[in-house]
Amino acid sequence: EAGVTQFPSHSVIEKGQTVTLRCDPISGHDNLYWYRRVMGKEIKFLLHFVKESKQDESGMPNNRFLAERTGGTYSTLKVQPAELEDSGVYFCASSQGLGALKETQYFGPGTRLLVL
Amino acid sequence: RKEVEQDPGPFNVPEGATVAFNCTYSNSASQSFFWYRQDCRKEPKLLMSVYSSGNEDGRFTAQLNRASQYISLLIRDSKLSDSATYLCVVFWAGGFKTIFGAGTRLFVKA
Repeated sequence: EAGVTQFPSHSVIEKGQTVTLRCDPISGHDNLYWYRRVMGKEIKFLLHFVKESKQDESGMPNNRFLAERTGGTYSTLKVQPAELEDSGVYFCASSQGLGALKETQYFGPGTRLLVL
Repeated sequence: RKEVEQDPGPFNVPEGATVAFNCTYSNSASQSFFWYRQDCRKEPKLLMSVYSSGNEDGRFTAQLNRASQYISLLIRDSKLSDSATYLCVVFWAGGFKTIFGAGTRLFVKA
C-alpha cells in the first residue's frame, strides 16, 4: 500500500514568490493534516481536513496560507506571498478516522521550504 | 506551560542500556497517545500507540497514567539503530487536535 506522498521534496524560492505544496494521502483516509516544523521548534499543527471540509484551521499562521482539498483526495497548501519566516519543513499526514488504530496518523516525507 | 512536555535531551547511552522517556500533557480530555520516532531529516514514524494502561512491543514498553497525565516510553537493550528523536504525541478527539512534544534526542553509542 502506498504511503503519504508529498511534492516537491524541496523548494527554494525568493521572498514574495508563491509556492504550492501538494499532499496525496493514503487511499481511503478521510482525514488529512498539515503540519510545519521550523528550525529548532516542535512540529506544529496547521490544519485538518475531513474529506473535503476544513475541520480545523486554527493553526494556520495568517491569510498568506491557503489550503484546499477539492474532491476529498489530495490537498494543496499555497503560500502567497512567501516570507522568510515561512521557511521550514511542511509535513502532511493522513488517518482513517476515529477509534482504536484509526486515529493513527501516517506522515509523508515532508517538503523542505527555504525562502530567501 | 506547553500542552505536551517531554524530557529535555539528549540522552547518551551505551548499547544494551535501558532508557526511559517521560511525557506530560495538560489537557485532561486528551484521548489518544502515541510515540513517534523521527530520524534526522526524515518524517515522524509511528513507534507505538498507547490506548489504555500501556502496551509492549518487543524491547519497547509504553505506559499511560491518566490520573497523572503522564506517559512514558521504556527502551530495553538499546541498539545503535535506536538513535533518533522520540516524539510524544497527544490526540484529542473532541477537536481532532494533535499536539506534538518537542522531542527527546537519543544517542546510543557502541
